[in-house]
Amino acid sequence: AQKITQTQPGMFVQEKEAVTLDCTYDTSDPSYGLFWYKQPSSGEMIFLIYQGSYDQQNATEGRYSLNFQKARKSANLVISASQLGDSAMYFCAMRESMDSNYQLIWGAGTKLIIKP
Amino acid sequence: AAGVIQSPRHLIKEKRETATLKCYPIPRHDTVYWYQQGPGQDPQFLISFYEKMQSDKGSIPDRFSAQQFSDYHSELNMSSLELGDSALYFCASSPTGVLLSEAFFGQGTRLTVV
Repeated sequence: AQKITQTQPGMFVQEKEAVTLDCTYDTSDPSYGLFWYKQPSSGEMIFLIYQGSYDQQNATEGRYSLNFQKARKSANLVISASQLGDSAMYFCAMRESMDSNYQLIWGAGTKLIIKP
Repeated sequence: AAGVIQSPRHLIKEKRETATLKCYPIPRHDTVYWYQQGPGQDPQFLISFYEKMQSDKGSIPDRFSAQQFSDYHSELNMSSLELGDSALYFCASSPTGVLLSEAFFGQGTRLTVV
């Protein structure tokens, strides 16, 4: 079974609008971490935001926020006031504490294109 | 701040040749991960090292080997290259046992096998 599911292969969004990228996860581990990474066309993998399973509040980092709904097992990324430079692939990933190697488990990614 | 350094950034090899990719983790990070990302795909875990010892193995072909050295840098050795090995290869490093930490990625090495 897929552990990380990103249901949106691609999205077009108008510049300055907010955008929500979906991510659902599946784990029986009570302690885990959820991550979002941005991968522009240049290829580098850029860390955006992190949410721990025991964090009470949703994580925020500048224009990025994570809408964490634990009961629904969702960790959607919200980008406010989108910019042309936000066009990239976005990956949701998870780490489980039961995995002693703390490997990242990746979703398939969402290609976001910001329209001027 | 120091980041994960990978070299080379780009590499072109012919089929059946060998390639060596290098990764220099962030200082005091003792865990290194290697990932392979094919075109349009999510990263696939290859192998990881902790304190210079292999800690986990993923979908790494037998033609590939890797090691971590005393200075914690790591090398991924790829032999008998095939066209399908063309991909972006990432190295990531983490402080050990810190779940509440992202893995810091290098900029990747783009390998093209022709």
